[in-house]
Amino acid sequence: DVKVTQSSRYLVKRTGEKVFLECVQDMDHENMFWYRQDPGLGLRLIYFSYDVKMKEKGDIPEGYSVSREKKERFSLILESASTNQTSMYLCASSPSGRVDNEQFFGPGTRLTVL
Amino acid sequence: AQSVTQLDSQVPVFEEAPVELRCNYSSSVSVYLFWYVQYPNQGLQLLLKYLSGSTLVESINGFEAEFNKSQTSFHLRKPSVHISDTAEYFCAVSRTGANNLFFGTGTRLTVIP
Repeated sequence: DVKVTQSSRYLVKRTGEKVFLECVQDMDHENMFWYRQDPGLGLRLIYFSYDVKMKEKGDIPEGYSVSREKKERFSLILESASTNQTSMYLCASSPSGRVDNEQFFGPGTRLTVL
Repeated sequence: AQSVTQLDSQVPVFEEAPVELRCNYSSSVSVYLFWYVQYPNQGLQLLLKYLSGSTLVESINGFEAEFNKSQTSFHLRKPSVHISDTAEYFCAVSRTGANNLFFGTGTRLTVIP
């Protein structure tokens, strides 16, 4: 069964802290994605990766960075957390070579920055 | 460029009543269309998708969606909703040759007992 896991369901951090959100998939997927979800705005793509050590900016990359050292793991990094980064963060993965690009999602991490 | 519009941000409906959640997209090329569902405090799950062939697609829990190319729509319907259908529903589109999905802003369906 397809599985995407995220390291934390809930996280509380202070302004200025460095925050790591981890995502792991066990499906040998090439593509991995990080979204943030906010009420009324839907899902907005932060970064994605097509392969190990490769990354592409999404629609809202400012204030974020990512790391993909292994195929199964995709990390989202907030270098200096700010209150406007309080949000739900969703990780997803998809296999390459499929025409439809169906994505498989993790359960999400609800981050609160105080 | 392509975009997805979900005009209704919230849809309240009584239990056992029918419901339609609207989705329109804009794209100049062939697309693939998806509906995802997000139950409270969970991630997104695929509900159904249109790739090709029959324009009417169905899910295992009674939802269906119809691809209408002339109206660029992919509305989601269910003839009789249950309390357990309370969730947020996202329409998404991808296009041939792309690796990304483009999501609408979501519709929160609330089923009232």
